[in-house]
Amino acid sequence: DIQMTQSPPSLSASLGDKVTITCQASQNINKYIAWYQQKPGKAPRLLIRYTSTLESGTPSRFSGSGSGRDYSFSISNVESEDIASYYCLQYDNLPLTFGSGTKLEIK
Amino acid sequence: EVQLVESGGGLVQPGRSMKLSCAASGFTFSNYGMAWVRQAPTKGLEWVATISYDGSSTYYRDSVKGRFTISRDNAKSTLYLQMNSLRSEDTATYYCTREMLGAPFAYWGQGTLVTVSS
Repeated sequence: DIQMTQSPPSLSASLGDKVTITCQASQNINKYIAWYQQKPGKAPRLLIRYTSTLESGTPSRFSGSGSGRDYSFSISNVESEDIASYYCLQYDNLPLTFGSGTKLEIK
Repeated sequence: EVQLVESGGGLVQPGRSMKLSCAASGFTFSNYGMAWVRQAPTKGLEWVATISYDGSSTYYRDSVKGRFTISRDNAKSTLYLQMNSLRSEDTATYYCTREMLGAPFAYWGQGTLVTVSS
């Protein structure tokens, strides 16, 4: 199974900050990584697919990059509506595996 | 608008069975692969099972293999998850999801909570 090591577990940011979350896969995942946002009590929402492709409706302040084993997800100009948990997912190989999540809080 | 509505969750005793359903609307159900993803209380996300658009291929995580069965009825636009021999560690909110353009969990239902407890 491919392990996805996501960090940090939590983030505290001020409005307008840029934050970055990383996911490292236990092997090359060929850019097959997606990023999800989950607000409390809600279902997750797909934000980014295939490393850097933004889904329709995803604000441009969200971005993704990476290759091989190492990937990152950033939010520039953090807004209050970005308070949520964020998860990476590798979909290169079964079983599909998620990172452990990052909880974003506003200072 | 894509809609996925799960039902069938609730409280069940260890060792018993439960069947979840997911009613899909707003798209041609028979064209898309579907999957179940679960989330234990206060925990992260975990893929459970996937089924191809026509039901010919199914895939499971090891911990549910042999106990859970994913299936679909394309005529009824409904996805199912039959869960047998339930364990306390199966307690979770179960989400029905749909793929899109290769991304496996592009759309999500609201989830249904399954609690396995005596």
